[in-house]
Amino acid sequence: AQSVTQLGSHVSVSEGALVLLRCNYSSSVPPYLFWYVQYPNQGLQLLLKYTSAATLVKGINGFEAEFKKSETSFHLTKPSAHMSDAAEYFCAVTQNSGYSTLTFGKGTMLLVSP
Amino acid sequence: DAMVIQNPRYQVTQFGKPVTLSCSQTLNHNVMYWYQQKSSQAPKLLFHYYDKDFNNEADTPDNFQSRRPNTSFCFLDIRSPGLGDAAMYLCATSSALTGGADTQYFGPGTRLTVL
Repeated sequence: AQSVTQLGSHVSVSEGALVLLRCNYSSSVPPYLFWYVQYPNQGLQLLLKYTSAATLVKGINGFEAEFKKSETSFHLTKPSAHMSDAAEYFCAVTQNSGYSTLTFGKGTMLLVSP
Repeated sequence: DAMVIQNPRYQVTQFGKPVTLSCSQTLNHNVMYWYQQKSSQAPKLLFHYYDKDFNNEADTPDNFQSRRPNTSFCFLDIRSPGLGDAAMYLCATSSALTGGADTQYFGPGTRLTVL
């Protein structure tokens, strides 16, 4: 069985500050890991994904994430928050076989203040 | 632009009155998924189709059914909606070309209200 745990249901940062959203995974086989963003009343949009190539993955909108096997983590970071980054962020895991059936974390709401 | 389209965006139904939600895609993807997302929760997979093969999640209520008449379209039928079925329903697609590394592409969702 696979699962992800997102620490912190809400994270608040000031505009221009570092964004760090935490995700830890559990998987019995090497995982594929994803970060999705969801704006209010919209669907989910892929930010980035880890597919066993480079451990540091760069995504859209200046976000990146680093896969750390020893820590079973895939934390999402952005050096400088922008007001438009305020949204809900979901970490998800799938196995590297078959096709992707995602298991999502509970999500982290990012709040950005001026 | 290739995309996933969901209609309607907002649906209001009455308790016990059947409702159908629609999803279409121009991506020509093999796999189509239906998720239920309740307020402040993660999306929960209800079922998915790989081509015409239907895959139901074990805990999906019998009240929820799906049809995929062709590659482009997929429908979610709720036979007798209850108040607890009020949620955002998300449709997604993936190509199945890269296995577990596939990206799922999501539609904008249909928000269902049950009165």
